[in-house]
Amino acid sequence: SQQGEEDPQALSIQEGENATMNCSYKTSINNLQWYRQNSGRGLVHLILIRSNEREKHSGRLRVTLDTSKKSSSLLITASRAADTASYFCATVSMNRDDKIIFGKGTRLHILP
Amino acid sequence: EADIYQTPRYLVIGTGKKITLECSQTMGHDKMYWYQQDPGMELHLIHYSYGVNSTEKGDLSSESTVSRIRTEHFPLTLESARPSHTSQYLCASSRGTAVNYGYTFGSGTRLTVV
Repeated sequence: SQQGEEDPQALSIQEGENATMNCSYKTSINNLQWYRQNSGRGLVHLILIRSNEREKHSGRLRVTLDTSKKSSSLLITASRAADTASYFCATVSMNRDDKIIFGKGTRLHILP
Repeated sequence: EADIYQTPRYLVIGTGKKITLECSQTMGHDKMYWYQQDPGMELHLIHYSYGVNSTEKGDLSSESTVSRIRTEHFPLTLESARPSHTSQYLCASSRGTAVNYGYTFGSGTRLTVV
């Protein structure tokens, strides 16, 4: 049962530009997480933002959360070729079932 | 580097064969999960375990079964593989509640049933 929905589905940008991906979800959440998946590999956990937080940074990553709009965004600054991957948002709901529900992902392609 | 290992990485087998996908982690995590990922990238939870001798079915109905006899080991078995089982299978583990922790994933097993 999908909770988060990423937008856009695919994104191509020039190396050095900033990449922004958005995620919308439906029900109240405890936290929201972003993951990266390189082609043919497993997912890598990038960042977790709690429902009472509005913004979080990790290196070149900036995540925002707007619980009133039920949306989040992931910004990657100064993109590099190695950032080419799929990015997933994932939510943990308030219903205490302690599971992470993943969206369908955004495919990001960094052009040289 | 994630300390969760999946074998094999790729597997091509004939219809009707029994197969076991292996997943092991060295982090001492109690919680482990199996996801099936379709070509459209969406992940579907098919099994999970919160500790030894504990297994539950996930949100997506699956003909596979799992076992958890040891903390570090969470194998997935298909008794009779069919072409509809062709997919990427991802194993994950967590050090605690999803309220506080994300998942660590293995590299996945790409299964093709011919």
